[in-house]
Amino acid sequence: GAVVSQHPSWVICKSGTSVKIECRSLDFQATTMFWYRQFPKQSLMLMATSNEGSKATYEQGVEKDKFLINHASLTLSTLTVTSAHPEDSSFYICSARHFPLGRGGETQYFGPGTRLLVL
Amino acid sequence: RKEVEQDPGPFNVPEGATVAFNCTYSNSASQSFFWYRQDCRKEPKLLMSVYSSGNEDGRFTAQLNRASQYISLLIRDSKLSDSATYLCAVNRDSNYQLIWGAGTKLIIKP
Repeated sequence: GAVVSQHPSWVICKSGTSVKIECRSLDFQATTMFWYRQFPKQSLMLMATSNEGSKATYEQGVEKDKFLINHASLTLSTLTVTSAHPEDSSFYICSARHFPLGRGGETQYFGPGTRLLVL
Repeated sequence: RKEVEQDPGPFNVPEGATVAFNCTYSNSASQSFFWYRQDCRKEPKLLMSVYSSGNEDGRFTAQLNRASQYISLLIRDSKLSDSATYLCAVNRDSNYQLIWGAGTKLIIKP
């Protein structure tokens, strides 16, 4: 199956620092990747859609200057949480849009997630 | 009304039993439907896509009811390892973005 990696798997940082999270599709090319945030016992919340070679599309209420997204290649998207604060502590998960050849349809495959704790 | 709704559970089910849960969606234009499972503190993993004709994969059966706008997941002969949170996902209009339910927690007991 499609494999998506995410790095780092967890981060603890001081308030005010910036944190960069990488999402890579390892065995397929992904023109579109998605960034989600999930708080404990809550559903996945889509933050933004990352498109290779163009600007990301942010969901309502998500500050684009706070959460910088760069999708520079077909296998890599990065999310930078700028000037992180304790309320940004969450589980950040990326996914990549995948079209399995010969089987029709498409779906999303997820990276293992990044746990961010801002002190 | 939420775009995608699920009963949060938990569903406490004895090992070997059959369990089913539904997921309702509000957008009649949705075309793609999926079931994912998410283990505690892990990422969601695709369980199965849901096709119009229904589909089966081993002990798991997924069905789509467009008239009533819900999808269902049936698990037969449940195993302890089936304990997880099951998330349904529905595409937004003709867009490929997925809207997620909050998940149904399933606990299989020995």
